[in-house]
Order: sequence, then structure tokens, then C-alpha cells
Amino acid sequence: AQKVTQAQTEISVVEKEDVTLDCVYETRDTTYYLFWYKQPPSGELVFLIRRNSFDEQNEISGRYSWNFQKSTSSFNFTITASQVVDSAVYFCALSEADYGGATNKLIFGTGTLLAVQP
Amino acid sequence: NAGVTQTPKFRVLKTGQSMTLLCAQDMNHEYMYWYRQDPGMGLRLIHYSVGEGTTAKGEVPDGYNVSRLKKQNFLLGLESAAPSQTSVYFCASSYSVTNEQFFGPGTRLTVL
Repeated sequence: AQKVTQAQTEISVVEKEDVTLDCVYETRDTTYYLFWYKQPPSGELVFLIRRNSFDEQNEISGRYSWNFQKSTSSFNFTITASQVVDSAVYFCALSEADYGGATNKLIFGTGTLLAVQP
Repeated sequence: NAGVTQTPKFRVLKTGQSMTLLCAQDMNHEYMYWYRQDPGMGLRLIHYSVGEGTTAKGEVPDGYNVSRLKKQNFLLGLESAAPSQTSVYFCASSYSVTNEQFFGPGTRLTVL
């Protein structure tokens, strides 16, 4: 069965520290997609990145970077030089292919609350 | 371009009452979804739709019904609300099965 585990429930760092949010997934599919979403205190869900299972290249976007390793079924997210505005709940998600066709149903992890202290 | 909108933003119901949550998207997306978010449990899929006139059950469909009569709208109904349905409900849409989902702002529902 598909599953996403975010073992870190809460992380607290001081501004300018680097922080890595862990995501471990389980799937039987050979084709799948992994996502990260940010949920700031205001409550909306903001898309950050999508990665397909055939692309293991790491990605960097400004202070954000993602490390995808199929060998360990992990898709970790690192924020470099964290800022107070990074404080949010971060969700990792896995897209699931429905039997008989893909529906892009997202399986979410339980989220990691990141608190960045000034 | 409003993206995904949800109506209402907040609602308080008494046990046994019914209500409908409305989701609308103006991005011409085929796929639409309803999730609920509960503390410590992430988001869980209630129902989804892969196109106008079609709906399917997700992970936690019991107690909910949905309809997709128009491509841009996806309605979530609670026929007889229960306290266990107190949650934040998110609607989402996506262009295709491989694209990211765009989320609405959420509806906070309390059932007393």
C-alpha cells in the first residue's frame, strides 16, 4: 500500500540555520510522483515541487533544495539559511495510480511543523 | 483568475443538520478533489472527480456525497452532520494526472 512517512512532527531552528525535513515513501508503482506542499499559518496549501520517479536529479530553487533517492525511498527537503517566513507545516505527498488508470490521488504525510525563531 | 475558491469559509452545524460545500475553479481543470484535514493526520481524500459527471470515493467517503454537474464546480454534501466531521475541508483541482494540485483556501466546519 502507498504510504508517506514524515517522522519529524515538529522542528525548531534559529534563523539562518539550515534544516532538513525528511520524507520516506512506500509504493508498489514504478511510475509515481512526489510533491512537497507548504501550509503557512494562514492555512492555504502552497505547491513547492513535483518530482517524477524517473528523475533522481536533485533540485535547487533559491534557498530550497530537494534530495530524491529511490534506493532509500526518500525525498528530503532542505531549507538553507532559514527565515522566520519559512515557519509553516510542510507536507510531503505521493501520487497514487488508481487501478485501471491514474487519477493523481495524493497520499499525504502527516506533516512537519517548522518553527523558525528570530 | 481566482484559481480555486470555496464557499463558505466557516460554518457551524448542529448534529443532524445538512449542508453543501461548494468548490469552484476557473482553470478548466478536469480533475477535482475534496480532502479533510485533521490535526496530526495530514490531508485525507474524501471523494474525487476525473471529469464532469463523474465521481469516485477516496480514502474516507462515509457520511459525504459529491456531485460534479459542471466542470468548474465540485460540491461536497453532508446529509446528517456528525461531530466526527468537524474538520477543515480543502478542495483541489489539477490539469492532468501528472500535474500538481491547486488547493482552495479551505472551509472550517464545526459540528456541535
